[in-house]
Amino acid sequence: KQEVTQIPAALSVPEGENLVLNCSFTDSAIYNLQWFRQDPGKGLTSLLLIQSSQREQTSGRLNASLDKSSGRSTLYIAASQPGDSATYLCAAASYTDKLIFGTGTRLQVFP
Amino acid sequence: EAQVTQNPRYLITVTGKKLTVTCSQNMNHEYMSWYRQDPGLGLRQIYYSMNVEVTDKGDVPEGYKVSRKEKRNFPLILESPSPNQTSLYFCASGLKRDYGYTFGSGTRLTVV
Repeated sequence: KQEVTQIPAALSVPEGENLVLNCSFTDSAIYNLQWFRQDPGKGLTSLLLIQSSQREQTSGRLNASLDKSSGRSTLYIAASQPGDSATYLCAAASYTDKLIFGTGTRLQVFP
Repeated sequence: EAQVTQNPRYLITVTGKKLTVTCSQNMNHEYMSWYRQDPGLGLRQIYYSMNVEVTDKGDVPEGYKVSRKEKRNFPLILESPSPNQTSLYFCASGLKRDYGYTFGSGTRLTVV
């Protein structure tokens, strides 16, 4: 059974720092991996989607990498800003279209 | 605007009173799914649908029903809600797995 783990569970950093959020999964037979952002009391906003054949995806200050063989994905946030404060979730999609979520990393960026 | 719309956003109800949470998408997506989010447990899949008239159980289907009579709508039905179904519910849709999934804004349900 696929299990997805995110470390750390919470992170508090000063503005301007470069950050790495980690996501690990136990079953490497994934179709893709998606990173989401969730603001308090709000829905999930898709940030990046990495197909199983890809190594990384980039969008603005965000870069996500995928290493299926080691069961890991990382989300890199460059030059963090207070507006980046949110919970970040990764989700691994299986070939049976099940989406398994990690429990998230709660990020706080202070000025 | 392409979106997944859930209604209501907030709902407080009493134990045993049937309720329906609606979900509608305007992107002609084939795949739709329902999740619940609970502190410490993350998001867990309740039911999903690969296309019209095709539904299947997720990880936590007990106490829930769904239907997919048309492509755009995927309502979640709680026939007899109980307090342990108090949660934040999300609906999601996707065209094909290649393109990832779009989520609604959530429905916060409280059962007293």
